[in-house]
Amino acid sequence: GAVVSQHPSRVICKSGTSVKIECRSLDFQATTMFWYRQFPKKSLMLMATSNEGSKATYEQGVEKDKFLINHASLTLSTLTVTSAHPEDSSFYICSARGGGNTNQPQHFGDGTRLSIL
Amino acid sequence: RKEVEQDPGPFNVPEGATVAFNCTYSNSASQSFFWYRQDCRKEPKLLMSVYSSGNEDGRFTAQLNRASQYISLLIRDSKLSDSATYLCVVNRNNQGGKLIFGQGTELSVKP
Repeated sequence: GAVVSQHPSRVICKSGTSVKIECRSLDFQATTMFWYRQFPKKSLMLMATSNEGSKATYEQGVEKDKFLINHASLTLSTLTVTSAHPEDSSFYICSARGGGNTNQPQHFGDGTRLSIL
Repeated sequence: RKEVEQDPGPFNVPEGATVAFNCTYSNSASQSFFWYRQDCRKEPKLLMSVYSSGNEDGRFTAQLNRASQYISLLIRDSKLSDSATYLCVVNRNNQGGKLIFGQGTELSVKP
């Protein structure tokens, strides 16, 4: 089945640090990748949609200068949390979908737990 | 009102029980639907897609009623390993396939 790898799985760093998270599709080409954030006991909230070779589309309320997304190839998208603060601590999850059929399910990476001290 | 609403849970059931989860969605333009399973502190994993004709995968049966904008998941003969949070997910196909997640229903299967 489709495999999505996310790295790192856990990050603990000081306030003000920038953190980069990678999302890779291992056995398929992902034209579209999505980035989500999940707070404890809450549902996943879509942050942005990333299409290979174009700018990401951000959801309302998500600061594009704070959360930088790059989707430079069909197998890799990165999310950089710039100048992270404690309120950015959360579980960040990426997902990927192959091809242009929007009916296809998304496959999720195993998430990155970010803790800002 | 949330776009996808689920039973609040938690559901605490004994092994072997049959349990049903309900979900409603508000966007009638939604075209595809899924149930995902999420274990504690893990990523969601696709359980099954949901079709109007209904679909079954072993002990799991999913149903979709487009007229009522209602989705269900039935789990028969519950196992301890079924304990997880079940997420009802709706695809906004007309917006590039964005997934909208329900808040999830927690299931705990006890011996």
